[in-house]
Amino acid sequence: TQLLEQSPQFLSIQEGENLTVYCNSSSVFSSLQWYRQEPGEGPVLLVTVVTGGEVKKLKRLTFQFGDARKDSSLHITAAQPGDTGLYLCAGKETSGSRLTFGEGTQLTVNP
Amino acid sequence: DVKVTQSSRYLVKRTGEKVFLECVQDMDHENMFWYRQDPGLGLRLIYFSYDVKMKEKGDIPEGYSVSREKKERFSLILESASTNQTSMYLCASRRGGQQPQHFGDGTRLSIL
Repeated sequence: TQLLEQSPQFLSIQEGENLTVYCNSSSVFSSLQWYRQEPGEGPVLLVTVVTGGEVKKLKRLTFQFGDARKDSSLHITAAQPGDTGLYLCAGKETSGSRLTFGEGTQLTVNP
Repeated sequence: DVKVTQSSRYLVKRTGEKVFLECVQDMDHENMFWYRQDPGLGLRLIYFSYDVKMKEKGDIPEGYSVSREKKERFSLILESASTNQTSMYLCASRRGGQQPQHFGDGTRLSIL
């Protein structure tokens, strides 16, 4: 089983600050997905990155896939209280179709 | 929009009971998954199914079984519930290949 380490596990910041969440593995993934989960709901897909070095932007969120397709990062600019939630990265195996999830980063943005 | 519906949001059962968790999706997806989510451990795959009547073990299948008699329904069964199976259970479905997984809202199961 491939492993994904996500850091930090908890992050509490003030509105307007920037932050980065990291997702690292020693294994290569064919693609990597980022999900966001709010209390009482299931995870919702934010983005999928497929190509090594790929950068995708979703408003104030920037996602990057490492060149070797072993790691990824999520950067949020000028965080807002509405960004509060659990952020999960998930890597798709190079063979097969299973996803391996990171432990999650619980983000709290204080007004 | 894809809709994945889990039959119960909250469930309380007793040790030794046989527990059924139901999941239904309305988009004719081939693949369906059952995960459990515990603090600090992320989502761990219990079982998944590529198609009707097909099932494969995930990372933590012990103490669980599944049933997929119809394409839209994937059931998770706790054969004899134990307290260490208290958790949030999430069902997901996907069309296949690189398509994203769509999750239900989860069932919070407590075993007393």
